[in-house]
Amino acid sequence: GENVEQHPSTLSVQEGDSAVIKCTYSDSASNYFPWYKQELGKRPQLIIDIRSNVGEKKDQRIAVTLNKTAKHFSLHITETQPEDSAVYFCAASEGNYGQNFVFGPGTRLSVLP
Amino acid sequence: KAGVTQTPRYLIKTRGQQVTLSCSPISGHRSVSWYQQTPGQGLQFLFEYFSETQRNKGNFPGRFSGRQFSNSRSEMNVSTLELGDSALYLCASSITGGGGNSPLHFGNGTRLTVT
Repeated sequence: GENVEQHPSTLSVQEGDSAVIKCTYSDSASNYFPWYKQELGKRPQLIIDIRSNVGEKKDQRIAVTLNKTAKHFSLHITETQPEDSAVYFCAASEGNYGQNFVFGPGTRLSVLP
Repeated sequence: KAGVTQTPRYLIKTRGQQVTLSCSPISGHRSVSWYQQTPGQGLQFLFEYFSETQRNKGNFPGRFSGRQFSNSRSEMNVSTLELGDSALYLCASSITGGGGNSPLHFGNGTRLTVT
């Protein structure tokens, strides 16, 4: 089955700096890769996603890149702000048999003022 | 549009008991998935229901079961509770049709504590 690894497990950056979180997946059939942000005590919320027919997607300060050959995808946050502090989860899914997402273990991002 | 609603928010149960958690998806969403979240194991997939049928199942013992009703609402049941079942149980709905790969919309979860 699918296995998703995520690095780093914790990340501290200064406000205004960039943050990069990387995930690798094992199943070459996976074709959908969402990223979720979970603030303390709150629900995970989708922040950006990418499908396998696209190499990069950007939404304001957030971007995701996908390398299908190497089976990894990364989240890039630029100009970080204190409200970006949260746990970020990547996930992978092949979708042929419904909704079956495998999540990475999460990255705790701290943005220091 | 109302979000995914889970009840109750908190539950305290004793080992050996059983528990039922409820989830109401976003209106129009026919897929409901359940996840277990723990500090050590992250988000683990339990199962997915679509049109009242279990479409996918994760690697959890048979003590974990679920069902979906004709209005897409879903329930999850855990029987013979163990201490290790203490976790946040998250329900997520999505608008997916016959296939998959639609964004998950999570509820706030039910925090289950087993003593």
